[in-house]
Amino acid sequence: DTGVSQDPRHKITKRGQNVTFRCDPISEHNRLYWYRQTLGQGPEFLTYFQNEAQLEKSRLLSDRFSAERPKGSFSTLEIQRTEQGDSAMYLCASSFMESGGWNTEAFFGQGTRLTVV
Amino acid sequence: GQQVMQIPQYQHVQEGEDFTTYCNSSTTLSNIQWYKQRPGGHPVFLIQLVKSGEVKKQKRLTFQFGEAKKNSSLHITATQTTDVGTYFCAGQAGTYKYIFGTGTRLKVLA
Repeated sequence: DTGVSQDPRHKITKRGQNVTFRCDPISEHNRLYWYRQTLGQGPEFLTYFQNEAQLEKSRLLSDRFSAERPKGSFSTLEIQRTEQGDSAMYLCASSFMESGGWNTEAFFGQGTRLTVV
Repeated sequence: GQQVMQIPQYQHVQEGEDFTTYCNSSTTLSNIQWYKQRPGGHPVFLIQLVKSGEVKKQKRLTFQFGEAKKNSSLHITATQTTDVGTYFCAGQAGTYKYIFGTGTRLKVLA
């Protein structure tokens, strides 16, 4: 499978616990995005990587959220001290941007559904 | 900050009727993308529009980008039950970040 994969698909955690999600983008894609989607809403931008550099982090992302993309390949999103309001679908997407060119379409993973109880 | 709104929020149509969703951005966009998300699924890319006034067609789907590059529309001719889902526009104002619209949920009644 050469698409974007996310792990785990589902995560149920108790309030206050830490969780970590992983995203494996399409191998040749240099851009990686994290979005969060709640029921009935569009995906909300969380953060973006160009290769291994995190270029923007949404103000929606509190200090409890951190994302990394070591070596510019897979990425992880960690949420510390989870709260019930963190319950959502966390989507990862990747795309390719040629130098001086247009950004190509983003390919989304299946998402990780987080439930904080 | 940049906002992208879509109308209507919901649309129920009889199979065979046409459907249109409209997307409006608070800022001028460099390009816009459209996605379809089936219930329980993830967004799937449909098309990207880049040029002012651009119109693209995919079978029964027609996409349009406004002259001012602040609005866009998706029109489906003769809807089918397979068209069910939520349609999102996603606008890019800078060089990387896409802001998604609020989505239009389409229900097609057989």
